[in-house]
Amino acid sequence: DAGVTQSPTHLIKTRGQQVTLRCSPKSGHDTVSWYQQALGQGPQFIFQYYEEEERQRGNFPDRFSGHQFPNYSSELNVNALLLGDSALYLCASSSTKSSGEQYFGPGTRLTVT
Amino acid sequence: KQEVTQIPAALSVPEGENLVLNCSFTDSAIYNLQWFRQDPGKGLTSLLLIQSSQREQTSGRLNASLDKSSGRSTLYIAASQPGDSATYLCAVQGGSEKLVFGKGTKLTVNP
Repeated sequence: DAGVTQSPTHLIKTRGQQVTLRCSPKSGHDTVSWYQQALGQGPQFIFQYYEEEERQRGNFPDRFSGHQFPNYSSELNVNALLLGDSALYLCASSSTKSSGEQYFGPGTRLTVT
Repeated sequence: KQEVTQIPAALSVPEGENLVLNCSFTDSAIYNLQWFRQDPGKGLTSLLLIQSSQREQTSGRLNASLDKSSGRSTLYIAASQPGDSATYLCAVQGGSEKLVFGKGTKLTVNP
């Protein structure tokens, strides 16, 4: 079992650009959540996808959007990047058929210059 | 709005010491509570999950307790080792299923 995987590991972008981050959930999981973690802070919930629909959203602007594919993998898109978007982006997967325990991937480090 | 607080923010102890990390939350209507470990620049590793109906969970040298009515959880680490050095994060999950995290406790275990 490969666990939760994310790509790329690191990314450097310029202000105003767009970025796409990818996540593959743990085998058997059907729900994917995305979190943003700024340096020295706890992760903040961005949104959650289940059955290819956004089920819940945190306090993030519409520049942040996502998608879930039929194989349960997911993408996070951020448009019009700001310096403040620099952070570690974490993907977590879980199963609606189990305890709700969330398993996290290694994260994507995004740097906006 | 759920808020999670972790005390202390940082902790430095000599190897072999037993230690306690604290987590408090403002809304007791939670579904479960998870403790995670995070190494610098890395993702989160789940350590223990406590369901709202449970009082504690144990895994090896780790023991986590939950007092839902008072909005508190503790993570007890026995016989600490330098390899335990990391940031420990507490997160609660309510009915909305999102996790709400504290800012973490940075633990350093000195040889």
